[in-house]
Amino acid sequence: AQTVTQSQPEMSVQEAETVTLSCTYDTSENNYYLFWYKQPPSRQMILVIRQEAYKQQNATENRFSVNFQKAAKSFSLKISDSQLGDTAMYFCAFMTGQGAQKLVFGQGTRLTINP
Amino acid sequence: KAGVTQTPRYLIKTRGQQVTLSCSPISGHRSVSWYQQTPGQGLQFLFEYFSETQRNKGNFPGRFSGRQFSNSRSEMNVSTLELGDSALYLCASSSLEGRNEQFFGPGTRLTVL
Repeated sequence: AQTVTQSQPEMSVQEAETVTLSCTYDTSENNYYLFWYKQPPSRQMILVIRQEAYKQQNATENRFSVNFQKAAKSFSLKISDSQLGDTAMYFCAFMTGQGAQKLVFGQGTRLTINP
Repeated sequence: KAGVTQTPRYLIKTRGQQVTLSCSPISGHRSVSWYQQTPGQGLQFLFEYFSETQRNKGNFPGRFSGRQFSNSRSEMNVSTLELGDSALYLCASSSLEGRNEQFFGPGTRLTVL
């Protein structure tokens, strides 16, 4: 069974700073997908970024980028130039490449951006 | 395109009752997955439906069931409610076309008294 671990329950940074959220996962599969989702106080789950395991290049979406280390089973999220609107719970999630639409989530990191 | 919609948004029930939650996926999406979110257990997968068939099921008791209609709308049902069923129930839809991305609805907040 796959597991996802987020070791930082809470983080807090100042606006405009860069912050990195950690995520490790465990799987015996070679083909899979990794995601970071953001859940603001509204509770709406929003997809931030997606990484395919077979791609060596790290995914980037504007201020959000990942550091995907497949051998180490590590998938960290870097938020550059953080903004107040980035305040949210962030969840790392895993999905197998077998077609099953089942996300396995980590416990989440509560990120607060301070003015 | 309109996003994933869930109804109702809030629900209060008492122990022993049953409840039905509804999810309408993004137009064209044929896969619908359900998740339970609680402070203690986090986000847990309930089940996934595709073309009116349950393809995957999480580790939940038989009191939790679901179905999908021909228009891809899905419902989940919880019978004989327990206090521990109080949670945010999230529905997500996917087109299954390559990117394997799930798009979530706003959730239904269920409170069991």
